Amino acid sequence: EIVLTQSPATLSLSPGERATLSCRASQSVRSSLAWYQQRPGQAPRLLIYDASSRATGIPARFSGSGSGTDFTLTISSLEPEDFAVYYCQQRGSWPALTFGGGTKVEIK
Amino acid sequence: EVQLVESGGVVVQPGGSLRLSCAASGFTFDDYPMHWVRQTPGKSLEWVSLITWDGVSTFYADSVKGRFTISRDNSKNSLYLDMNSLRVEDTALYYCAKELRVSLGDGRGYFLSYFHHWGQGTLVTVSS
Repeated sequence: EIVLTQSPATLSLSPGERATLSCRASQSVRSSLAWYQQRPGQAPRLLIYDASSRATGIPARFSGSGSGTDFTLTISSLEPEDFAVYYCQQRGSWPALTFGGGTKVEIK
Repeated sequence: EVQLVESGGVVVQPGGSLRLSCAASGFTFDDYPMHWVRQTPGKSLEWVSLITWDGVSTFYADSVKGRFTISRDNSKNSLYLDMNSLRVEDTALYYCAKELRVSLGDGRGYFLSYFHHWGQGTLVTVSS
């Protein structure tokens, strides 16, 4: 099983600041990685797929990068609605899909 | 608008059985592979199972293999998860999820095993 490790566990930032979230895979997943946002009481929402492609309707302030084992989600300027938990998910070992443990972006 | 509505979650004793259902609307259900994903209280997400568009092929996480069965009825736009030999560690919010379809234009496209649309979830609690 491919293990995804997300860091940091919690990121404390202010609105308008830049957020940089990391996801590291225990073995290469090529570019087969997605990012999701989950707000309290809601289902996850797909933000980024295949490491760097934005899903339909996702604002341009969200961007993804990386390949192999190291990936980054960047939020260029945090909006109030961006304070949430973010998860990465890989399909590189399909059909054994796995998620990371999440990073909480909280208001400082 | 895509809608996925799960149902069937209840409190059940260890060793018990349960069937979850997911009613789909707003898209051509029988075009899409479908998944079940669960989220334990206060914890992360875990992929549970996948079924191909025609129901011919199914796949499971090791943690549920041999105990859970995924199925679908395309005539009813419905997805199911039959859960047997339930354990305390199966306690979770269970989501059904629709795969991402990437459009190539001219009606062509391909599927990727990312979760593009999710239901609101149904809570399964396994407790004595």
